[in-house]
Order: sequence, then structure tokens, then C-alpha cells
Amino acid sequence: GAVVSQHPSRVICKSGTSVKIECRSLDFQATTMFWYRQFPKQSLMLMATSNEGSKATYEQGVEKDKFLINHASLTLSTLTVTSAHPEDSSFYICSGGWGNTEAFFGQGTRLTVV
Amino acid sequence: QKEVEQDPGPLSVPEGAIVSLNCTYSNSAFQYFMWYRQYSRKGPELLMYTYSSGNKEDGRFTAQVDKSSKYISLFIRDSQPSDSATYLCAMKGNSGYALNFGKGTSLLVTP
Repeated sequence: GAVVSQHPSRVICKSGTSVKIECRSLDFQATTMFWYRQFPKQSLMLMATSNEGSKATYEQGVEKDKFLINHASLTLSTLTVTSAHPEDSSFYICSGGWGNTEAFFGQGTRLTVV
Repeated sequence: QKEVEQDPGPLSVPEGAIVSLNCTYSNSAFQYFMWYRQYSRKGPELLMYTYSSGNKEDGRFTAQVDKSSKYISLFIRDSQPSDSATYLCAMKGNSGYALNFGKGTSLLVTP
């Protein structure tokens, strides 16, 4: 299957600072990437859909000013958690695909805000 | 009612057993069905991908889709301790490819 690389795998940051998470499609061009959030023992919750060259589409209840998404190229999408707070601590996962092809997931990023 | 229902378990089986994991769904527009395996603190890994009713086999894994009943299953034969993980079903319609996930079933295979 296709490879999606996500970095960093773990990050600890202080409350009030910003954190950037990168998601790269290594062997295919992802016109669309998805960003998910997952709480312990819960399923994946879609946060936003990132389209190359245009603004991301956010799911209801997700603050677009807090979770900044940039998809500047066909192989890279970034999620920046701005002014992070402890309640933002979670597991963030990206996925990419094309057409009706199945989505391939990154390894996930565990964010801890202290 | 959620669009995709999946029993979260946990499900505990002895090594070598046949495991049956299931999901039901309510949206008849779903056409593509996937099963993912997720180890703790890792991203989901695609196991099976189907788009028609019937069975699809890959090694020890068999995916079954019954669109008339809106019911999908994943069977694992000769289960191994390394199969211990959370299994997520996911599905989507024809337009776009945002996935709809089940809650995931936690599986433990004991030696």
C-alpha cells in the first residue's frame, strides 16, 4: 500500500505554545488529506479535510483558528495546534488517498500539553 | 443512531481460534468497505478493502460484505497473539473518500 509519513510521533509542549505536525505522502500525490483526532479507547474523529491549494474544510465543532491546516503541495499537509492547552492533548492522525482509493494513514502524533 | 455500529468488546480468544468481527451500518450509500488494524499508539493499518457483496480472502483474513443486510464482517483464522489490537471497520460512499468509522473492537489473543 501507499505510504504516509507523519512527524513527529510524540511531542510534549508547554501550555500556550504552538505545535506543528507534518503529514507527507511518500509515493503518491494526495490531492486530499484528512486530519483525525483520537481519544483513548475511542474511534477516530474527523477534524478537517485538507485540499491542496485551497482552504481546509472543518467539521462542526472544530475551531479553524486553533487548528490551522495548510496543504501547500500534493505531498505535504500540516496541522498546527495554536496556543495549545492541556485539553488539546490527544492522538492526531492524518490520512491521504486519491479518487476512491482507500485511505492510508500516518503513524499518528501523540501530543501532550503540560 | 450512529451510521456505523461496532461492538467495542473487548474480545478475548485463545491462540488458534477463529475470530469474527462485525459492523452494521444504516447508510445505503456506502459502497466501499475497509477493515483497519490499529496497535496501541499507532496509526491504523489497512487490512482489507472491498466494494461488493460477498467474500474476499487474504491469507488468514476474510472480509465479508452483505449489502442487503448492511452488515460486514472480518474473520481471522488461526489467530495469533500478534493479532491482538483494535480492529476498526470503515466505509464510504462514491463521492469523495471521507471515511465513516466504527468505534473499533479490541481483540486479545492469549497464548
